[in-house]
Amino acid sequence: AQKITQTQPGMFVQEKEAVTLDCTYDTSDPSYGLFWYKQPSSGEMIFLIYQGSYDQQNATEGRYSLNFQKARKSANLVISASQLGDSAMYFCAMREGNTGNQFYFGTGTSLTVIP
Amino acid sequence: DSGVTQTPKHLITATGQRVTLRCSPRSGDLSVYWYQQSLDQGLQFLIQYYNGEERAKGNILERFSAQQFPDLHSELNLSSLELGDSALYFCASSVGPGTRSTFQETQYFGPGTRLLVL
Repeated sequence: AQKITQTQPGMFVQEKEAVTLDCTYDTSDPSYGLFWYKQPSSGEMIFLIYQGSYDQQNATEGRYSLNFQKARKSANLVISASQLGDSAMYFCAMREGNTGNQFYFGTGTSLTVIP
Repeated sequence: DSGVTQTPKHLITATGQRVTLRCSPRSGDLSVYWYQQSLDQGLQFLIQYYNGEERAKGNILERFSAQQFPDLHSELNLSSLELGDSALYFCASSVGPGTRSTFQETQYFGPGTRLLVL
């Protein structure tokens, strides 16, 4: 089974609107971390936001927030007030407590912000 | 800028050749991870080193090898290159070894080395 599933290969959003990128995960480890990365066309991987399995509140970092629904095993990224510079690939990743060495990445979602 | 550096940025070589990719982790980070990103396979974890020792192995081919030096920089050696090895190779670093107590540590990625095998 896939550890991380991103079901949206591509998404479009109007500039200044909010968008949600979906991520579901699969683990039996009670301790895990969930991460979102942004990869612009230039290729670098930029860390955006982190959510721990024991965190009581949803993580937020500026215009990024993580909608963490533990029972549903989902960790959706919400980008508010989209900007043209948000156009990029977005990857969801997980790190488990018992095998903390490895990051499991999803296949990514390509986001295009339309002016 | 993540603080992780990788050289070279681009590399073009021929099949059968050998190349070395270099990575310097962020200051204070002891773990280095190598990833391969190709169009058909996505982002694949290759190998991890922590403070000079191999810590974890992922989908790394036998033709590939890596090491981490006392100054904590790491090198990924790719030999007998094939067309299918063309990819973006990332190095990432984090502070700790990635054990149960450090699973929440973020990995910070370098800019990547784009390898093209002709």
